Amino acid sequence: QVQLVQSGAEVKKPGSSVKVSCKASGYVFRNYAISWVRQAPGQGLEWMGGINPLFNRREYAQKFQGRVTFTADESTSTAYLEMSSLKSEDTAVYFCARANAPAAIWNWFDPWGQGTLVTVSS
Amino acid sequence: EIVLTQSPDTLSLSPGERVTLSCRASQSVTNNYLAWYQQKPGQAPRLLIYGASSRVTGVPDRFSGSESDTDFTLTISRLEPEDFAVYYCQQYSTSPTFGQGTRLEIK
Repeated sequence: QVQLVQSGAEVKKPGSSVKVSCKASGYVFRNYAISWVRQAPGQGLEWMGGINPLFNRREYAQKFQGRVTFTADESTSTAYLEMSSLKSEDTAVYFCARANAPAAIWNWFDPWGQGTLVTVSS
Repeated sequence: EIVLTQSPDTLSLSPGERVTLSCRASQSVTNNYLAWYQQKPGQAPRLLIYGASSRVTGVPDRFSGSESDTDFTLTISRLEPEDFAVYYCQQYSTSPTFGQGTRLEIK
């Protein structure tokens, strides 16, 4: 079945960087975009952007432009989120999710990864 | 950016009751590109509805979605104990945005 499995929890210092992975299985990785959505503790969902491996195209939500980088490795069917200059406000669960429209960057999202908790604390 | 406003923020109901959750868009959502998700504590969101009214395979038919202009509705015809969760709407007509969520709690 289609599945996304994310890397484990991270604890980071303010000002450092973090890289979260999202390994896909059960479908042709390059055919569908992967989006990243974060959820701060007790808060709602926030779309960060996405990457379409087929066209090597990325879209970043304005709030995250310049601080976030999305990459994709077709050889391992894995998408990555890298965030720099971490602040305490970046403490959140980060989800990857597949966009269900070939060639699009976004669509409805299904399935989702299990989430990766990133804690930023001194 | 399309802003989605869900109402109410919290609903307290009993199993067996019927519930309607609302999601209002700040502007037109092209082609009814709106989805609904259910999220339980410690879990990822689960897609229920896409295209405003298309139910995902495997989702019980007590869940239904509808739309009227910029107002979208998720209806659960008869609440089961496992339905108590947080529900989010999401538009994908433009750069995706989510509503703030409606918490459905047991009365």
